[in-house]
Formats: sequence, structure tokens, C-alpha cells
Amino acid sequence: NAGVTQTPKFRILKIGQSMTLQCAQDMNHNYMYWYRQDPGMGLKLIYYSVGAGITDKGEVPNGYNVSRSTTEDFPLRLELAAPSQTSVYFCASSPELNEQFFGPGTRLTVL
Amino acid sequence: KNEVEQSPQNLTAQEGEFITINCSYSVGISALHWLQQHPGGGIVSLFMLSSGKKKHGRLIATINIQEKHSSLHITASHPRDSAVYICAVRRASGGGADGLTFGKGTHLIIQP
Repeated sequence: NAGVTQTPKFRILKIGQSMTLQCAQDMNHNYMYWYRQDPGMGLKLIYYSVGAGITDKGEVPNGYNVSRSTTEDFPLRLELAAPSQTSVYFCASSPELNEQFFGPGTRLTVL
Repeated sequence: KNEVEQSPQNLTAQEGEFITINCSYSVGISALHWLQQHPGGGIVSLFMLSSGKKKHGRLIATINIQEKHSSLHITASHPRDSAVYICAVRRASGGGADGLTFGKGTHLIIQP
């Protein structure tokens, strides 16, 4: 099993550009999460999903959108990139309310 | 004030020392997680606990629900234990599905 995979690993965006961060898991987990990690701060929840077709906002959802059309995939969309979205983004999944498995992260810089 | 507080923020110790990292939280929880973030950035789950104590190899995690406090212990520490250790809680409200609330992490360095 590949576990949780994320692409790309690194990306530099210009202000106002859009992009999608990809996340996929092959463990058939219903629960998936997107977090962001800023220097010196704890991870913060952006969006989460409890199953295909169901998503909900976390602590810091502004500027992001998600979709969950399949159990495996949970992409995160940035529509109009801003410097405040410079961060490391982690996707995670879990089997019900259990330990979470994290992807390797995407380091995003918005200039 | 953060809902999850960790101490110390930074810890440098010698190989072989017994290490303790503390976590206090201010919300009702259904579970507490300890995670390890490697220098390369990857995050691995170490423990999930809702009561008592768990042990895995040289790592021990304890939780006191009444005092809203958890500790992570490392026995016979080794340089490969150098990492950031993160405490996170799942809130009891909201059904618990809405992700975790994280501490800022404890940066541990074990010197040979």
C-alpha cells in the first residue's frame, strides 16, 4: 500500500494564481483531512470529509475549497492564491475516529 | 491561550537520558494523540489514547483525564529520537470527526 500520497511536493505560485493540491489514499479510509502548518504554529484544520460526497469546514477554510467524489481522493483547491497561504499542507486519513495517517506534505510558496 | 499547550518547547539531552514531554489541554476530549515529525517533515502517529497508559518499545504515553494532562516519555534516548513531538486532541464536541487540535510541538535533540 502506498498509504497517503500528495502531489506536488513543492510549488511556487504567483499572487492570484489557482492550483489544486492532490491527495489520495489507498487504505479505504472514510475520514480525510487537510491541515496547514505554519512556522512556529501547530497544524490547523482546513477542511475534512467523513465520506464520499460529504465535506465540512475546519478552523481555517477561507480561501480554500475541497471536493470528495471518491473514497480515495480529496483534492484541495486554492482559487486566488495569497501570500498568507504560504505554508506546508498535510493531508491525512483515518479509519473512523482512529489514528491518522499523514501524507508527506506539500510545501507551497505564494509570491 | 492555546487549547493545547506543550512543554518544554525545546529540549536538548544526552544519549541515554530519560525524556519527558508534557501536554496540557483545556477542552473536553474524546482522545489524545502523540505524533512525531521527522526532520524531513513527515508526520507519524505514535499513540492514540483516551485513558491510562500505552507503551511501544522505548516510548510510553500516559494521560490523566481529570487533570487534562498527558505525558510522553522516552527511555534510553538515542540520537535517532531527535524530532518534533506533537500533542493533539480530538474534541468531545462535534462528534469528533472535525479533525484534531494541535499543540505547537516540542523540538527534541538527543546528542551522542
